[in-house]
Amino acid sequence: DMKVTQMPRYLIKRMGENVLLECGQDMSHETMYWYRQDPGLGLQLIYISYDVDSNSEGDIPKGYRVSRKKREHFSLILDSAKTNQTSVYFCAIDRGRHAEQFFGPGTRLTVL
Amino acid sequence: GDQVEQSPSALSLHEGTGSALRCNFTTTMRAVQWFQQNSRGSLINLFYLASGTKENGRLKSTFNSKESYSTLHIRDAQLEDSGTYFCAAEAENRIFFGDGTQLVVKP
Repeated sequence: DMKVTQMPRYLIKRMGENVLLECGQDMSHETMYWYRQDPGLGLQLIYISYDVDSNSEGDIPKGYRVSRKKREHFSLILDSAKTNQTSVYFCAIDRGRHAEQFFGPGTRLTVL
Repeated sequence: GDQVEQSPSALSLHEGTGSALRCNFTTTMRAVQWFQQNSRGSLINLFYLASGTKENGRLKSTFNSKESYSTLHIRDAQLEDSGTYFCAAEAENRIFFGDGTQLVVKP
């Protein structure tokens, strides 16, 4: 099974602070994703990365940026976090472009 | 999401009974995936189908691309089956998630 790691698992930040969420994978798969999930809702796509330095916006990219300098790592960055960015963030990988996805354990972010 | 309609939104079952969850698609999808989100919030892969039917224990899933739907059947429900079930369908260049079915299995 593919292993997707996320760090940290829990994070509390104040409004206006910068946030860095990390995602790692152990199989050098090309495509990686960042989603957020809010209570009672499904997953909303923030960004997709097709390979190193090859990133595309998802459905809700505003307020976020990403970085992928190595195939194994995909970072989600919030410059000046807002309270409405409080959510659970999931990273995912897939076996090929838009194939079966595997998710990390999630990061619960609270912005006060 | 708009492209994926998942039903029911909530479901309650007694242990030992069964039911079906369904996803209808408004556009042609080439594959579907089903997940269970457990009480810890983890998303567990259940099935990935490009067509036909797959079975795993008490779970069975079918994907009919031509008629634009997929189903997930649960039989002999157990307490640990409680959670939220999501389908995710793959189109040409995107994956679309349903809004989930919240399943509660009662003793």
